[in-house]
Amino acid sequence: SAVISQKPSRDICQRGTSLTIQCQVDSQVTMMFWYRQQPGQSLTLIATANQGSEATYESGFVIDKFPISRPNLTFSTLTVSNMSPEDSSIYLCSGKEGSTEAFFGQGTRLTVV
Amino acid sequence: GESVGLHLPTLSVQEGDNSIINCAYSNSASDYFIWYKQESGKGPQFIIDIRSNMDKRQGQRVTVLLNKTVKHLSLQIAATQPGDSAVYFCAENNYGQNFVFGPGTRLSVLP
Repeated sequence: SAVISQKPSRDICQRGTSLTIQCQVDSQVTMMFWYRQQPGQSLTLIATANQGSEATYESGFVIDKFPISRPNLTFSTLTVSNMSPEDSSIYLCSGKEGSTEAFFGQGTRLTVV
Repeated sequence: GESVGLHLPTLSVQEGDNSIINCAYSNSASDYFIWYKQESGKGPQFIIDIRSNMDKRQGQRVTVLLNKTVKHLSLQIAATQPGDSAVYFCAENNYGQNFVFGPGTRLSVLP
């Protein structure tokens, strides 16, 4: 499967600021997703990143808070806006090609203080 | 034995024993299932998958069983090793869309 690189791997941010996480895949993939994983919990889908159009958000997640870009088939960004301590979490980028497994980056560990 | 921790249920097994991790999935229309392993500080890693037209699939030291009647998935790990210690997630997929993850089980291998 393809390899996903996420940047940054971790960050500590002040509340009220925004952080943009980058996700780079080493080959073209049809689908890209962003997940959130809160400490000790499972993965929750934030949105599907659509190439060249607006992302598709899951219930409880909105574009103003988590704007997503996907300019091509190998790259996506997730921004966590106006951060609060409740946004402290691991954010994971995922790629998928057709009816196969999804593969993941190593995640971005975000701490908001 | 199995117990419920602060967030994740934990399964503790002796090194060399077999492990069985269970998962109940939610959508009867799901047609593809995966077990992922997640080690501390890393993203989920693919272990084994199974499609809904099968009820068993074997890999190296791992077997996945699917019971569609009761919407149940299990992962069996033979001769569990210390390197198997991790959190294990089942994930279900419906017609090629995103994966929905189960709550996870922490596997702890005792020396």
